[in-house]
Amino acid sequence: ETGVTQSPTHLIKTRGQQVTLRCSSQSGHNTVSWYQQALGQGPQFIFQYYREEENGRGNFPPRFSGLQFPNYSSELNVNALELDDSALYLCASSPLIHSGANVLTFGAGSRLTVL
Amino acid sequence: DQQVKQNSPSLSVQEGRISILNCDYTNSMFDYFLWYKKYPAEGPTFLISISSIKDKNEDGRFTVFLNKSAKHLSLHIVPSQPGDSAVYFCAAKPGANSKLTFGKGITLSVRP
Repeated sequence: ETGVTQSPTHLIKTRGQQVTLRCSSQSGHNTVSWYQQALGQGPQFIFQYYREEENGRGNFPPRFSGLQFPNYSSELNVNALELDDSALYLCASSPLIHSGANVLTFGAGSRLTVL
Repeated sequence: DQQVKQNSPSLSVQEGRISILNCDYTNSMFDYFLWYKKYPAEGPTFLISISSIKDKNEDGRFTVFLNKSAKHLSLHIVPSQPGDSAVYFCAAKPGANSKLTFGKGITLSVRP
């Protein structure tokens, strides 16, 4: 059983550029969530995808967008990068269930630095 | 507005002793509470959870206590081991498929 894999692991961009981060979910998981972890903070929810549709979004502007593909992998796209977008971006997958704690399985993250 | 608070940024304990990590929350709609552990250069890994209908859940050396009236939970690690040194995040959510709200984390150091 493979876990959640993310790419790239590190990248550096300049202000105004665009970035795409990728995530392969754990086998058997059909829901993908993305979180942003700034330095010294806990992860913050960006959005969640199920059946290729966004079904929940946190307090992030529209320049943060995503996609989920039929194989449940996902992309996070950020346009018009700002310095404050520098953070660790975490992808997490889970099955869709109707009760219980429904534990998220996280990838190791993509560390984005915006100069 | 921080709905999940971990007010102590760090904790240092001696190997073999108890580690107690605290967490407070403000949202009464939270139904599930989870603890995640994070090592450097790795993603958070799930440790233990508790639902709002229970006040205690135990898994080996790890026990989580929930006090709903005080909106407070704590993670006890007994005995603490050097390999437990990591950042511990408290997280909560209002339903099975809802987003997780995390605290800022606490860095635990277990001294040999």
